[in-house]
Amino acid sequence: SQQGEEDPQALSIQEGENATMNCSYKTSINNLQWYRQNSGRGLVHLILIRSNEREKHSGRLRVTLDTSKKSSSLLITASRAADTASYFCATDGGNFNKFYFGSGTKLNVKP
Amino acid sequence: DTAVSQTPKYLVTQMGNDKSIKCEQNLGHDTMYWYKQDSKKFLKIMFSYNNKELIINETVPNRFSPKSPDKAHLNLHINSLELGDSAVYFCASRDSPNEKLFFGSGTQLSVL
Repeated sequence: SQQGEEDPQALSIQEGENATMNCSYKTSINNLQWYRQNSGRGLVHLILIRSNEREKHSGRLRVTLDTSKKSSSLLITASRAADTASYFCATDGGNFNKFYFGSGTKLNVKP
Repeated sequence: DTAVSQTPKYLVTQMGNDKSIKCEQNLGHDTMYWYKQDSKKFLKIMFSYNNKELIINETVPNRFSPKSPDKAHLNLHINSLELGDSAVYFCASRDSPNEKLFFGSGTQLSVL
């Protein structure tokens, strides 16, 4: 299958700590995106990184992309209780119209 | 105004029934999607329409029939519902290729 697979499945940290989530995928991509899903809600886009980029920042988020290893990581710095959510990576498998997701990483930030 | 809205939010029905889920986006996007999220949170693409034309059909049973009356609407009709259809169904839209998706808040379908 072409979907991204997030790792770990679950992560529990204290407020103020950094959280790192990883994504691996199987086919070539045009871009990779990260989304957040709060419980009972739809997914919200966080950040997009294109295949010719290696690192991207947005506020407390840092995303890296290694196309040779077909992997990406999402780092949330100085986490807050409000960051508690599931985080998904989405890959396009080289097709601009398709977005494949995995099962996400469930992040719990304890106050 | 909600950018991508789905109705209903909850749908409880008996096996064998036919049901529909509606989706509307007010973002002026050309492309819309249906995704299915199972109990393990795995999100799977089902269909995509671009300007009312079907462009993606990911081996979904033909009991599922999407319909796009115009580019702002994408509805999902499901015939002869089965227990395994129980899931959360998300509608999403996108402006241009290679860009981000905007999701609705989901429709939780429970088939009894």
